[in-house]
Amino acid sequence: GQNIDQPTEMTATEGAIVQINCTYQTSGFNGLFWYQQHAGEAPTFLSYNVLDGLEEKGRFSSFLSRSKGYSYLLLKELQMKDSASYLCAVDRNFNKFYFGSGTKLNVKP
Amino acid sequence: DSGVTQTPKHLITATGQRVTLRCSPRSGDLSVYWYQQSLDQGLQFLIQYYNGEERAKGNILERFSAQQFPDLHSELNLSSLELGDSALYFCASSPTSGTGTHNEQFFGPGTRLTVL
Repeated sequence: GQNIDQPTEMTATEGAIVQINCTYQTSGFNGLFWYQQHAGEAPTFLSYNVLDGLEEKGRFSSFLSRSKGYSYLLLKELQMKDSASYLCAVDRNFNKFYFGSGTKLNVKP
Repeated sequence: DSGVTQTPKHLITATGQRVTLRCSPRSGDLSVYWYQQSLDQGLQFLIQYYNGEERAKGNILERFSAQQFPDLHSELNLSSLELGDSALYFCASSPTSGTGTHNEQFFGPGTRLTVL
């Protein structure tokens, strides 16, 4: 929706690091969110970026470049429970939220 | 548990019918958002209410309407239902209006609507 692009699926190994990219149209940009969603469950908030740079929160970090319309979510020390879909969402023109289709992450032992 | 409640959890109905989905936000949250999630389209923003008033509108069909009541709970009304309306409907709440502020949303468990 609204040109928010994420890879459809990724696979990584337990204990490794994985980077999930998100690109978006920059018009009306007011902030970018990352959410985690396990199958059949509600999305849960992971991170928020409105300024350029890296936001770190434990094993998860999120980066934003507003001029490039680019963000990534970095997951370190992967655990099996990190297997889920990761949704990139853009707040556009204040309170119109557009979600990408999500990246399904498979963590293997 | 996010603190957001939605009822019913599951709803099965027929084409042409009308249904009402209900959402109670977290205590103290003034904003309520509605989303539709179907397999082929991901999470679609429908509408936002803040303290009883409509604040933002997304891809909401004319057959759909919503409102937020004085006690801040919200209802999403879906009418003239079609097969393609089958989806998971999420409600989310946040403490602020979102304008110019960090607007983390807390999602409810969703209502799964099946239209036969």
